Amino acid sequence: DIQMTQSPSSLSASVGDRVTITCRASQGIRGDLDWYQQKPGKAPRPLISGASSLQSGVPSRFSGSGSGTEFTLTISSLQPEDFATYYCLQHNSYPRTFGQGTKVEIK
Amino acid sequence: EVQLVESGGGLVQPGESLRLSCAASGFTFSTYWMAWVRQAPGKGLEWVANIGHYGSGEYNVDSVRGRFTISRDNAKDSLYLQMNSLRADDTAVYYCARENWGTFDLWGQGTLVTVSS
Repeated sequence: DIQMTQSPSSLSASVGDRVTITCRASQGIRGDLDWYQQKPGKAPRPLISGASSLQSGVPSRFSGSGSGTEFTLTISSLQPEDFATYYCLQHNSYPRTFGQGTKVEIK
Repeated sequence: EVQLVESGGGLVQPGESLRLSCAASGFTFSTYWMAWVRQAPGKGLEWVANIGHYGSGEYNVDSVRGRFTISRDNAKDSLYLQMNSLRADDTAVYYCARENWGTFDLWGQGTLVTVSS
């Protein structure tokens, strides 16, 4: 199975900060990686597909990059509505595997 | 409206069975792979199973293999998860999700399954 390791597991940041979350795959997955945002009590929302493609309706302050084993999600200027937990997901092979999540909290 | 609506969750005892349903609307259900993803209380997301357009190409995670079966009825625009021999560690919110080129691009609101004596 491909293991997905996210870092950090949590972070505190202020509105306006630039935030970067990293996801590392235990083996190469090309660009078969998505990023999801989840708020408490809600279903996950897809943000980025294929490592770098912004999903429809997602603000442009979100961006993704990477290929192979290392990927990043960047929020260029953190907004109040961005405080949530973020997950990466590899869909290169079965079983599909998520990262353990990164909780973004208000500083 | 494009949506997925899960139902069928509840409280069951260890060893019992439960069948979850997911009703799709607003899109051509038969043209998409579908999936179940779960989230134990306070924990992260775990992919459970996928199913192909016409019921072929099932895949599931090791921890549920032999106990859970994913199926679909395209005539009813519905996805199902039959869960047998339930264990306490199956307690979770179960989400139905539409898969679009590998991305889970549409999610239901989730249904809670609690396994406890």
